[in-house]
Amino acid sequence: QVQLVQSGAEVKKPGSSVKVSCKASGGTFSNYVFSWVRQAPGQGLEWVGRVIPVFEKGKYAQNLLGRVTISADKSTATVYMELSSLRSEDTAVYYCARSRLEMTTSDGFAFWGQGTLVTVSS
Amino acid sequence: SSVLTQPPSVSVAPGKTATITCGGDNLGVKAVHWNQQKPGQAPVTVIYYGSDRPSGIPERFSGSNSGNTATLTISRVEAGDEADYYCQVWDSGSDHVLFGGGTKLTVL
Repeated sequence: QVQLVQSGAEVKKPGSSVKVSCKASGGTFSNYVFSWVRQAPGQGLEWVGRVIPVFEKGKYAQNLLGRVTISADKSTATVYMELSSLRSEDTAVYYCARSRLEMTTSDGFAFWGQGTLVTVSS
Repeated sequence: SSVLTQPPSVSVAPGKTATITCGGDNLGVKAVHWNQQKPGQAPVTVIYYGSDRPSGIPERFSGSNSGNTATLTISRVEAGDEADYYCQVWDSGSDHVLFGGGTKLTVL
C-alpha cells in the first residue's frame, strides 16, 4: 500500500524559509503527480503546487509564485516543498498528496500525507 | 481562473439523504473530485471524476455533474459522515487545482 510520510512540525520566524519533505513508499514514484495542499487554521484547502518527478519542473499557485519551490528526489522517492519569505499568513498544515493515475494532472488525490504544521511567529 | 461555490453548511437527520452542491462555470465538462475531511485528519477522496467511487468508500456516497453544478449525495446518512466536504477541479486554463470553500455536514 502506498504511504506518504511527511517531516515533523516546524516553527519559523517571519522572513525565514521552511522545507517540508514527503517520502513515498509502496509504489512507483516518478510518473505520478505529487501535489502540496495547505490548510490555515479553521480554513479550507488551498492548492500550493505540484511536481511530476520524471519532469522535475514544478507548477505553482499564482499567489505563491516566487516564494515556493517544489522538487523531487527520485533516488529517495521524496518530494519537497520549500517556502521562503515566510509570513504569519503562511501558518498552516501542509499536506502532500499523490494522484491515482500516472501523468494525469486532472486526477484526484488517492493518497495523502499526515500533514505538517508550519507555524510562523516572531 | 474559475471559482467553485459550495454552501457553507448542510444539516441532515440520521438515515436521511444529504446533498452537497458545487457550482462553477461549465463544471459539467470538468473532472470534479470530492474530498471528505474529518476533524484533525487528512482529507480522503470519496468521489473521483464526478461519480467514480473508490474502493473502500460506501455505496451510500454518489456523485453527479452536469451543467454548472456538481453534486455529492450521501444516502442513509450516519453520524460518522459528519465532516467537511470539498469539491476539487483542475482548471485547464490556468493549469491549477481549485478547491471549493468547503461544506460542513452536520448530522442532527
